[in-house]
Amino acid sequence: QSVLTQPPSVSAAPGQTVTISCSGSGSNIGNNYVSWYQQVPGAAPKLLIYDNYKRPSGISDRFSGSRSGTSATLGISGLQTGDEADYYCATWDSSLSEGVFGGGTKLTVL
Amino acid sequence: EEQLAESGGGVVQPGGSLRLSCAASGFTFDDYAIHWVRQSPGKGLEWLSLIDWDGRRTFYANSVKGRFTISRDNSKNSVYLEMNNLRTEDTALYFCAKEEYCSSVKCDGRFDPWGQGTLVTVSS
Repeated sequence: QSVLTQPPSVSAAPGQTVTISCSGSGSNIGNNYVSWYQQVPGAAPKLLIYDNYKRPSGISDRFSGSRSGTSATLGISGLQTGDEADYYCATWDSSLSEGVFGGGTKLTVL
Repeated sequence: EEQLAESGGGVVQPGGSLRLSCAASGFTFDDYAIHWVRQSPGKGLEWLSLIDWDGRRTFYANSVKGRFTISRDNSKNSVYLEMNNLRTEDTALYFCAKEEYCSSVKCDGRFDPWGQGTLVTVSS
Protein backbone atom coordinates (compact mmCIF):
# COMPACT_ATOMS: atom_id res chain seq x y z
CA GLN A 1 0.00 0.00 0.00
CA SER A 2 1.25 3.45 -0.91
CA VAL A 3 1.60 6.20 1.68
CA LEU A 4 -0.35 8.50 -0.65
CA THR A 5 -3.76 7.35 -1.91
CA GLN A 6 -4.91 7.91 -5.47
CA PRO A 7 -7.88 6.45 -7.35
CA PRO A 8 -6.72 3.59 -9.58
CA SER A 9 -8.43 4.98 -12.64
CA VAL A 10 -10.38 7.92 -14.00
CA SER A 11 -11.97 8.48 -17.39
CA ALA A 12 -13.59 11.27 -19.33
CA ALA A 13 -14.40 12.27 -22.88
CA PRO A 14 -12.19 14.46 -25.07
CA GLY A 15 -12.59 18.12 -24.27
CA GLN A 16 -13.85 17.50 -20.74
CA THR A 17 -12.10 18.17 -17.45
CA VAL A 18 -10.93 15.50 -15.03
CA THR A 19 -9.47 15.69 -11.53
CA ILE A 20 -7.21 13.20 -9.79
CA SER A 21 -7.01 13.22 -6.02
CA CYS A 22 -4.07 12.39 -3.78
CA SER A 23 -4.66 11.87 -0.07
CA GLY A 24 -1.95 11.80 2.57
CA SER A 25 -1.32 12.95 6.11
CA GLY A 26 0.19 15.77 8.11
CA SER A 27 3.69 14.35 7.85
CA ASN A 28 3.68 14.41 4.06
CA ILE A 29 1.15 16.44 2.05
CA GLY A 30 0.09 18.46 5.05
CA ASN A 31 3.53 20.00 5.51
CA ASN A 32 5.47 19.49 2.29
CA TYR A 33 5.18 20.41 -1.36
CA VAL A 34 3.35 18.08 -3.72
CA SER A 35 4.45 17.29 -7.26
CA TRP A 36 2.68 15.43 -10.05
CA TYR A 37 4.08 13.24 -12.83
CA GLN A 38 2.80 11.88 -16.11
CA GLN A 39 4.07 8.52 -17.34
CA VAL A 40 3.19 7.10 -20.73
CA PRO A 41 3.92 3.41 -21.31
CA GLY A 42 7.57 2.68 -21.92
CA ALA A 43 8.78 6.11 -20.85
CA ALA A 44 10.18 7.72 -17.74
CA PRO A 45 7.87 9.88 -15.61
CA LYS A 46 7.69 13.55 -16.52
CA LEU A 47 7.20 16.40 -14.05
CA LEU A 48 3.87 18.18 -14.59
CA ILE A 49 3.34 20.16 -11.38
CA TYR A 50 5.68 21.10 -8.54
CA ASP A 51 5.34 23.09 -5.32
CA ASN A 52 1.62 22.15 -5.25
CA TYR A 53 0.55 24.23 -8.25
CA LYS A 54 3.51 25.47 -10.31
CA ARG A 55 4.10 24.28 -13.88
CA PRO A 56 7.57 23.73 -15.34
CA SER A 57 8.39 25.51 -18.54
CA GLY A 58 6.77 23.76 -21.49
CA ILE A 59 3.89 22.19 -19.56
CA SER A 60 0.47 23.16 -20.90
CA ASP A 61 -1.77 25.35 -18.74
CA ARG A 62 -4.42 22.66 -19.20
CA PHE A 63 -2.67 21.01 -16.24
CA SER A 64 -3.26 22.51 -12.80
CA GLY A 65 -2.55 21.57 -9.22
CA SER A 66 -3.84 22.46 -5.81
CA ARG A 67 -3.40 21.40 -2.20
CA SER A 68 -5.78 21.67 0.73
CA GLY A 69 -4.88 20.27 4.12
CA THR A 70 -3.61 16.73 3.66
CA SER A 71 -4.92 16.29 0.11
CA ALA A 72 -3.83 17.44 -3.31
CA THR A 73 -5.57 17.49 -6.67
CA LEU A 74 -4.38 17.43 -10.26
CA GLY A 75 -6.74 18.91 -12.82
CA ILE A 76 -6.58 18.34 -16.55
CA SER A 77 -8.86 20.43 -18.76
CA GLY A 78 -9.62 20.16 -22.46
CA LEU A 79 -8.77 16.45 -22.41
CA GLN A 80 -6.95 15.07 -25.42
CA THR A 81 -6.30 11.47 -26.41
CA GLY A 82 -2.61 12.21 -25.92
CA ASP A 83 -3.28 12.77 -22.21
CA GLU A 84 -3.89 9.04 -21.74
CA ALA A 85 -1.21 8.00 -19.27
CA ASP A 86 -0.55 7.09 -15.67
CA TYR A 87 -0.39 9.99 -13.23
CA TYR A 88 1.45 9.97 -9.91
CA CYS A 89 1.56 12.38 -6.98
CA ALA A 90 4.69 12.62 -4.83
CA THR A 91 6.05 14.45 -1.85
CA TRP A 92 8.49 14.07 1.05
CA ASP A 93 7.39 12.46 4.28
CA SER A 94 9.03 14.21 7.20
CA SER A 95 8.25 11.46 9.72
CA LEU A 96 9.59 8.66 7.53
CA SER A 97 12.40 10.83 6.04
CA GLU A 98 11.51 9.28 2.70
CA GLY A 99 10.16 10.29 -0.65
CA VAL A 100 6.65 8.95 -1.13
CA PHE A 101 4.48 8.33 -4.19
CA GLY A 102 0.82 7.71 -4.75
CA GLY A 103 -0.15 4.38 -6.25
CA GLY A 104 -0.84 6.01 -9.60
CA THR A 105 -4.01 6.78 -11.55
CA LYS A 106 -4.63 5.54 -15.07
CA LEU A 107 -6.38 8.15 -17.17
CA THR A 108 -8.52 6.95 -20.05
CA VAL A 109 -9.82 9.46 -22.56
CA LEU A 110 -12.95 7.84 -23.95
CA GLU B 1 19.74 20.41 -20.98
CA GLU B 2 19.74 18.53 -17.71
CA GLN B 3 20.10 14.80 -18.24
CA LEU B 4 20.53 11.62 -16.22
CA ALA B 5 21.49 8.23 -17.60
CA GLU B 6 21.33 4.96 -15.69
CA SER B 7 23.39 1.88 -16.45
CA GLY B 8 24.42 -1.37 -14.85
CA GLY B 9 21.18 -3.33 -14.95
CA GLY B 10 21.02 -6.96 -15.94
CA VAL B 11 20.00 -10.44 -14.92
CA VAL B 12 21.19 -11.71 -11.53
CA GLN B 13 20.36 -14.72 -9.41
CA PRO B 14 18.57 -14.41 -6.07
CA GLY B 15 21.09 -13.54 -3.38
CA GLY B 16 23.35 -11.87 -5.90
CA SER B 17 24.62 -8.31 -6.19
CA LEU B 18 24.53 -5.55 -8.76
CA ARG B 19 25.81 -1.98 -8.92
CA LEU B 20 23.79 0.62 -10.78
CA SER B 21 25.25 3.91 -12.00
CA CYS B 22 23.58 7.24 -12.73
CA ALA B 23 25.58 9.72 -14.82
CA ALA B 24 24.52 13.36 -14.83
CA SER B 25 25.08 16.17 -17.30
CA GLY B 26 23.79 19.66 -18.01
CA PHE B 27 23.70 20.95 -14.43
CA THR B 28 26.01 21.61 -11.51
CA PHE B 29 25.96 18.09 -10.16
CA ASP B 30 27.38 18.73 -6.70
CA ASP B 31 24.62 21.25 -5.93
CA TYR B 32 21.87 18.64 -5.93
CA ALA B 33 20.65 15.54 -4.16
CA ILE B 34 19.78 12.49 -6.25
CA HIS B 35 17.02 9.89 -5.78
CA TRP B 36 16.68 6.27 -6.89
CA VAL B 37 13.14 5.12 -7.72
CA ARG B 38 12.02 1.79 -9.14
CA GLN B 39 9.00 0.44 -10.96
CA SER B 40 8.17 -3.25 -10.91
CA PRO B 41 6.51 -4.64 -14.06
CA GLY B 42 2.98 -3.31 -14.33
CA LYS B 43 3.23 -1.54 -10.96
CA GLY B 44 3.62 1.99 -9.64
CA LEU B 45 6.63 4.04 -8.65
CA GLU B 46 8.48 3.10 -5.47
CA TRP B 47 10.95 5.50 -3.87
CA LEU B 48 14.15 3.75 -2.76
CA SER B 49 16.86 6.12 -1.66
CA LEU B 50 18.28 9.64 -1.69
CA ILE B 51 21.80 11.01 -1.26
CA ASP B 52 22.36 14.68 -0.57
CA TRP B 53 24.71 16.93 -2.50
CA ASP B 54 27.90 16.01 -0.69
CA GLY B 55 27.04 12.44 0.24
CA ARG B 56 26.91 13.11 3.96
CA ARG B 57 23.22 12.26 4.32
CA THR B 58 21.57 9.21 2.87
CA PHE B 59 18.01 7.95 3.23
CA TYR B 60 16.47 4.57 2.41
CA ALA B 61 13.07 2.95 2.10
CA ASN B 62 12.50 0.16 4.62
CA SER B 63 12.20 -2.35 1.77
CA VAL B 64 15.87 -1.92 0.84
CA LYS B 65 17.48 -0.68 4.06
CA GLY B 66 20.46 -2.84 4.94
CA ARG B 67 20.67 -4.36 1.44
CA PHE B 68 21.11 -1.32 -0.81
CA THR B 69 23.75 1.41 -0.45
CA ILE B 70 23.70 4.74 -2.25
CA SER B 71 26.88 6.69 -2.89
CA ARG B 72 28.19 9.41 -5.19
CA ASP B 73 31.39 10.61 -6.80
CA ASN B 74 31.07 14.30 -7.57
CA SER B 75 34.33 14.23 -9.55
CA LYS B 76 32.60 11.86 -11.99
CA ASN B 77 29.13 13.45 -11.84
CA SER B 78 27.77 10.07 -10.84
CA VAL B 79 25.60 8.40 -8.23
CA TYR B 80 25.63 4.68 -7.54
CA LEU B 81 23.28 2.13 -6.04
CA GLU B 82 24.96 -0.97 -4.68
CA MET B 83 22.36 -3.72 -4.37
CA ASN B 84 23.13 -6.85 -2.34
CA ASN B 85 21.16 -9.95 -1.37
CA LEU B 86 18.80 -9.37 -4.27
CA ARG B 87 15.34 -10.94 -4.19
CA THR B 88 12.93 -11.78 -6.99
CA GLU B 89 10.74 -8.90 -5.82
CA ASP B 90 13.59 -6.48 -6.64
CA THR B 91 12.95 -7.11 -10.33
CA ALA B 92 12.12 -3.68 -11.71
CA LEU B 93 13.10 -0.76 -13.89
CA TYR B 94 15.37 1.46 -11.81
CA PHE B 95 15.36 5.23 -12.35
CA CYS B 96 17.50 7.98 -10.93
CA ALA B 97 16.09 11.49 -10.61
CA LYS B 98 17.42 14.85 -9.48
CA GLU B 99 15.94 16.43 -6.36
CA GLU B 100 15.45 20.15 -6.77
CA TYR B 101 15.90 21.17 -3.15
CA CYS B 102 16.78 19.72 0.24
CA SER B 103 17.03 21.72 3.43
CA SER B 104 18.80 20.50 6.54
CA VAL B 105 15.64 18.66 7.63
CA LYS B 106 13.69 17.68 4.52
CA CYS B 107 13.52 17.66 0.75
CA ASP B 108 10.90 18.95 -1.66
CA GLY B 109 10.23 15.56 -3.22
CA ARG B 110 10.49 17.18 -6.64
CA PHE B 111 11.91 14.62 -9.07
CA ASP B 112 13.21 16.27 -12.23
CA PRO B 113 14.67 15.22 -14.55
CA TRP B 114 14.53 11.43 -14.67
CA GLY B 115 16.80 9.05 -16.49
CA GLN B 116 15.42 6.49 -18.92
CA GLY B 117 15.87 3.66 -16.42
CA THR B 118 17.90 0.46 -16.28
CA LEU B 119 16.25 -2.95 -15.98
CA VAL B 120 17.16 -5.31 -13.18
CA THR B 121 15.88 -8.88 -13.36
CA VAL B 122 16.38 -11.18 -10.38
CA SER B 123 15.76 -14.76 -11.43
CA SER B 124 17.24 -18.21 -11.08
